[in-house]
Amino acid sequence: GQQVMQIPQYQHVQEGEDFTTYCNSSTTLSNIQWYKQRPGGHPVFLIQLVKSGEVKKQKRLTFQFGEAKKNSSLHITATQTTDVGTYFCAGPGGGKLIFGQGTELSVKP
Amino acid sequence: DGGITQSPKYLFRKEGQNVTLSCEQNLNHDAMYWYRQDPGQGLRLIYYSQIVNDFQKGDIAEGYSVSREKKESFPLTVTSAQKNPTAFYLCASSQLAGVGANVLTFGAGSRLTVL
Repeated sequence: GQQVMQIPQYQHVQEGEDFTTYCNSSTTLSNIQWYKQRPGGHPVFLIQLVKSGEVKKQKRLTFQFGEAKKNSSLHITATQTTDVGTYFCAGPGGGKLIFGQGTELSVKP
Repeated sequence: DGGITQSPKYLFRKEGQNVTLSCEQNLNHDAMYWYRQDPGQGLRLIYYSQIVNDFQKGDIAEGYSVSREKKESFPLTVTSAQKNPTAFYLCASSQLAGVGANVLTFGAGSRLTVL
C-alpha cells in the first residue's frame, strides 16, 4: 500500500542552527500537508502544498514540494526553543490522510 | 469557538474492560477520524467516517469499534479484544470539499492507560 516515509526520526540542534526534515511518498501525491505537534499537545495544521515544485514560506519555515510530487521538505532557519516538537508530513491516499512517522525536533538553548 | 472536544482527557482501565472515548465537533465537518499515537511513533488510523451511519476501517481497527449516528459525534470504543490499548488517542475532523478540504483539525486527545 501507499507509504509516506519521513527522516530523520530525531534531530537535536543548538538554538540558532538550521533544521530540515524530509518526506517521501511511494506514490505521486495530489497535495502534501505539514503538521506540528508540541510536546504533550495535538497536531496542528501548518500548511498544504499542491503544485509541483511549489515553495511556501511562513516566517522562518520554508516548505517545498518536489517536481515529481513524491517528496517534500520543511526547513527551519535559525531554530528557536519555540520550534520544539514533532513535525509530520501527510499525503492523501484511498480517501484518507497517510502520515509520515514524524521528526522530533529538540532545541538546546 | 468551533473545535473538537475529546473526553475524558485521561482514563484508566482495568484489563478486560471496554471503554468509550467521546469525540464531538461543532465545525460542521463531514468527515471524522480516530488515530492512535504511541510514544515516539507517528499517527496510525483506526477508523474514519465520511458520512453519518457509515464508517471504514483504518490500518489498525482490530479491537476497536465506532459509531456515527450524528454528524457531530464519533465515539470510539476500545474493547477488551485490543491487546495493547495503552496509548494516546486523537480524534480529528475535516471538510471533504471546498477550501480546506481534507485538512485535519485535531482534538486535544485522550490518554488511556490500562492497569
